[in-house]
Amino acid sequence: NAGVMQNPRHLVRRRGQEARLRCSPMKGHSHVYWYRQLPEEGLKFMVYLQKENIIDESGMPKERFSAEFPKEGPSILRIQQVVRGDSAAYFCASSPFGQGIAKNIQYFGAGTRLSVL
Amino acid sequence: AQTVTQSQPEMSVQEAETVTLSCTYDTSESDYYLFWYKQPPSRQMILVIRQEAYKQQNATENRFSVNFQKAAKSFSLKISDSQLGDAAMYFCAYEDTGTASKLTFGTGTRLQVTL
Repeated sequence: NAGVMQNPRHLVRRRGQEARLRCSPMKGHSHVYWYRQLPEEGLKFMVYLQKENIIDESGMPKERFSAEFPKEGPSILRIQQVVRGDSAAYFCASSPFGQGIAKNIQYFGAGTRLSVL
Repeated sequence: AQTVTQSQPEMSVQEAETVTLSCTYDTSESDYYLFWYKQPPSRQMILVIRQEAYKQQNATENRFSVNFQKAAKSFSLKISDSQLGDAAMYFCAYEDTGTASKLTFGTGTRLQVTL
């Protein structure tokens, strides 16, 4: 069973460009979470999605950031008009929820490191 | 809002010795989950151990065990027989039960393992 797959591992963008980060959850998982990790800090929650629904976006910046988890395909975290302050590691996690004792465990991908020049 | 505090930015332990990493949290909920995650230099977040708040028994996973003190809102991680591969950042995390929801992380403790 493949783990949570994130790509790309590293992404370099110039200020003003768009960044698209992809996350494929573990097989059988229908819940996806995005977190951001600034240098020397812990992970901060951004958004929680189920297929075709945003459940909790309380950690998302109000502007330039959006997330989706379509019926088919990976979850996408999109950052428009990137600024240097967006440079961070972005982690995706997935969980099965409702499938017995494992339901509250989030399994993480290896992250995407975004560098904004 | 829930908060998680890790007061030890760095810790060091000799190989084969035991080390304890501290974590305290603040919540008004009575039922929740607590986690320790390990982040090696590869940046992959790896689940080390999980504790359910309604269980009084401390969780254990091989060389890793926790000391869960619910009244004190304390959740420390003990690593026995430390190995070089244990060197990493360790994050304590909290999650409300009920619905699968967001994890709240502490700021981490960097563990060095020396020969």
